[in-house]
Amino acid sequence: NAGVTQTPKFQVLKTGQSMTLQCAQDMNHEYMSWYRQDPGMGLRLIHYSVGAGITDQGEVPNGYNVSRSTTEDFPLRLLSAAPSQTSVYFCASSYGSGVPQETQYFGPGTRLLVL
Amino acid sequence: AQKVTQAQTEISVVEKEDVTLDCVYETRDTTYYLFWYKQPPSGELVFLIRRNSFDEQNEISGRYSWNFQKSTSSFNFTITASQVVDSAVYFCALSGLVGGTSYGKLTFGQGTILTVHP
Repeated sequence: NAGVTQTPKFQVLKTGQSMTLQCAQDMNHEYMSWYRQDPGMGLRLIHYSVGAGITDQGEVPNGYNVSRSTTEDFPLRLLSAAPSQTSVYFCASSYGSGVPQETQYFGPGTRLLVL
Repeated sequence: AQKVTQAQTEISVVEKEDVTLDCVYETRDTTYYLFWYKQPPSGELVFLIRRNSFDEQNEISGRYSWNFQKSTSSFNFTITASQVVDSAVYFCALSGLVGGTSYGKLTFGQGTILTVHP
């Protein structure tokens, strides 16, 4: 198993540009989520999904869109990048309800710089 | 709303010292999970432990031990005989269970930067 994979590893954008951060998992996990990590603030939840076709907002959803058409993939879209979106983005996945092991496994992260 | 507080922003110790990382949480959920993750300088997040709210037994894994006290809403992490390889950022996190599931949602503390000097 490759686990949780994220692409790209690093990206530089100009203000106003759009892009998609890719996330995939091969563990047949039901739950997937996106977090951003900023200095001194820990990780904060952007969006999450409890299955294909089902997504919801987390703590800091503004400026981001998600969709989940398959169990494996959960892309994060930046609609119009702003310098405030400069951050490290982590994708995570875990088993769904009814399974005792609700431990989130994280991808390696994508470092995004918006100029 | 849930909240996790790691009051220690940075800790610096010398190798072989014991060090405790503090974690205090707030939640209205009656059942929840608590986690610790390690983020080494390479940047990935490594899962260390998960604890259920109804299980207050302390846990020891090698040089690592965890003290969960529901009465004080704390879930502290102790590294015994620290080593340089323990240098990392450590995160405490909480997921509340609603209807028996967390929906994969975690609330993180701010993180504690641990530096172990040789």
